[in-house]
Amino acid sequence: QVQLVQSGAEVKKPGASVKVSCKTSGYTFINNYVHWVRQAPGQGLEWMGIINPKSGGTNYAQRFQGRVTLTRDTSTSAVYMELSSLRSDDTAVYFCARDTLSTRLPASRPGARLDFWGQGTLVAVSS
Amino acid sequence: DIQMTQSPPSLSAFVGDRVTITCRASQSVSIYLNWYQQRLGKAPQLLIYSASNLQDGVPSRFSGSGSGTDFTLTISSLQPEDFATYSCQQSHTTPWTFGQGTKVEI
Repeated sequence: QVQLVQSGAEVKKPGASVKVSCKTSGYTFINNYVHWVRQAPGQGLEWMGIINPKSGGTNYAQRFQGRVTLTRDTSTSAVYMELSSLRSDDTAVYFCARDTLSTRLPASRPGARLDFWGQGTLVAVSS
Repeated sequence: DIQMTQSPPSLSAFVGDRVTITCRASQSVSIYLNWYQQRLGKAPQLLIYSASNLQDGVPSRFSGSGSGTDFTLTISSLQPEDFATYSCQQSHTTPWTFGQGTKVEI
């Protein structure tokens, strides 16, 4: 069965960086895009970016451009999200999620949907 | 960015009630609108994709409709396990954007 398992909670100081892992299993890793979505306390979901596990190509939301980096390791079927220059308003639960969209198609093609999600990783930023 | 506005932000209902949640996009997203359910402290789960298609394993009491800018999620007969937050998401244009969520409570 498809599973996405994320790394544990993190506490960081303002200005630091955090790297969250998302280990996938149960499907062919390079066949599906993976997204990252975050949710601040009591707030809605916010899309951060997408990675093509086959090529390593990425697309980031404008507001995170320059601060977020998505990478992947095909040998372990894992994707990583690194967020730098952390601020208190980056405190949130961060989710990875698999897209049904095949990596044979462009990432920006309409119709993406997130069918399997990781359990979420709380990142708390506090001095 | 395309703004997604849900209404109402929250609602109270009883088991067995018919519940309707609406989602409006700031510009047309065609049929590229998904609905997710999120129980407290859990990850979202895909319910409906492309406006009206039921995701595998989702009970048939859930249904979706709409196109362009206006969409609806309907729960025909609310069950105890349906008390959760529901969010819409457009996948027409990057960046993908979500509504703020509708909390369904007793």
